[in-house]
Amino acid sequence: DTEVTQTPKHLVMGMTNKKSLKCEQHMGHRAMYWYKQKAKKPPELMFVYSYEKLSINESVPSRFSPECPNSSLLNLHLHALQPEDSALYLCASSLGAGDPGELFFGEGSRLTVL
Amino acid sequence: AQSVTQLGSHVSVSEGALVLLRCNYSSSVPPYLFWYVQYPNQGLQLLLKYTSAATLVKGINGFEAEFKKSETSFHLTKPSAHMSDAAEYFCAVNFGGGSQGNLIFGKGTKLSVKP
Repeated sequence: DTEVTQTPKHLVMGMTNKKSLKCEQHMGHRAMYWYKQKAKKPPELMFVYSYEKLSINESVPSRFSPECPNSSLLNLHLHALQPEDSALYLCASSLGAGDPGELFFGEGSRLTVL
Repeated sequence: AQSVTQLGSHVSVSEGALVLLRCNYSSSVPPYLFWYVQYPNQGLQLLLKYTSAATLVKGINGFEAEFKKSETSFHLTKPSAHMSDAAEYFCAVNFGGGSQGNLIFGKGTKLSVKP
């Protein structure tokens, strides 16, 4: 199994809603990542979890709250988002945060904030 | 400063023609280098990677790239373009001693393939 699974694929929410994006991998990877990608732009790193501990937080607003319940799961909790937060949110995993190998990406969750 | 540059935000080729997508990096130490492809409304898929082994790297779908230290380049090529190659291509560089959290993406090159 070499997949990273993200749910939901599409999400529409209002600025007062609370929602969550979910990511799962069963490759035994110990590092998981959240990226944000706006249209026609490269992915921007948001968070890195290494061995279930948050190791990198790229100064993301607190309305985005990551959670890593175990080594296979990664959540991104969303609250009081702004329309400019509409984007494709990509989850990725790798063997370890110190490994120079590849990142495995999910297909993304496309978020629209109204 | 460490950076990665993709020359040309949009490249258009005819089916069967050579594909050349350019990537240059700026670093005093050879980094780890990657090419990813993104099809519309999908995530990124690794095409190939350079991690200090052979300088000519072969990837999936007939793509290959050559690491040239003297030119600080890692250009992506394919001898004969296929319609299914139309996608966005990202060069990515890991400068930070192997930490994937330091993966930096180029701005991307959109490849169009004309029949």
